[in-house]
Amino acid sequence: AQSVTQPDIHITVSEGASLELRCNYSYGATPYLFWYVQSPGQGLQLLLKYFSGDTLVQGIKGFEAEFKRSQSSFNLRKPSVHWSDAAEYFCAVGALNAGNMLTFGGGTRLMVKP
Amino acid sequence: GAGVSQSPSNKVTEKGKDVELRCDPISGHTALYWYRQSLGQGLEFLIYFQGNSAPDKSGLPSDRFSAERTGGSVSTLTIQRTQQEDSAVYLCASSFSFSSGNTIYFGEGSWLTVV
Repeated sequence: AQSVTQPDIHITVSEGASLELRCNYSYGATPYLFWYVQSPGQGLQLLLKYFSGDTLVQGIKGFEAEFKRSQSSFNLRKPSVHWSDAAEYFCAVGALNAGNMLTFGGGTRLMVKP
Repeated sequence: GAGVSQSPSNKVTEKGKDVELRCDPISGHTALYWYRQSLGQGLEFLIYFQGNSAPDKSGLPSDRFSAERTGGSVSTLTIQRTQQEDSAVYLCASSFSFSSGNTIYFGEGSWLTVV
């Protein structure tokens, strides 16, 4: 069974600083990987996804993530954080040819200092 | 519709009462999912539907939980004899099909508080 670990429960960065949110997954085959963002009182919005091909994927709102098979990681990055990026971020993994089930990590809450 | 719609957005109920949570998926989406998000927790998968069928109900926390989907569209999650530990946000989501890799779109959730 697949699993996802987001080691950082809370992260605080200053506005304009760079951001990296960590995600490690456990899955025996090639995974599908996703990052979702949840703003307060909102549902989850897809930021980006990785299926195959280029290991660096671009998403919405200036986010990108890099799939590193050797490290079983899919870390989310943004060069310059905006105050509106304050939210909770969830990494998720899905399995090829096993239906469309996603397993989510516990989330990382991002706070942005002015 | 334009997005996944859930109702009610907020529900406060007394312990022991039954509640129904409704989900209207994106038009044309055949797959529908229910997740639960408890305070400070990640997302817990509850159940999914392919069309009107729920092949695997093992994710439902107890036999007080049930879900149905009719007409391949609207789904209802019912919690009988609610308990305080049922307090959570119940998120519904849908995707075009259940084939792996289909983007899953989430609703804004139904916030349930059991007092």
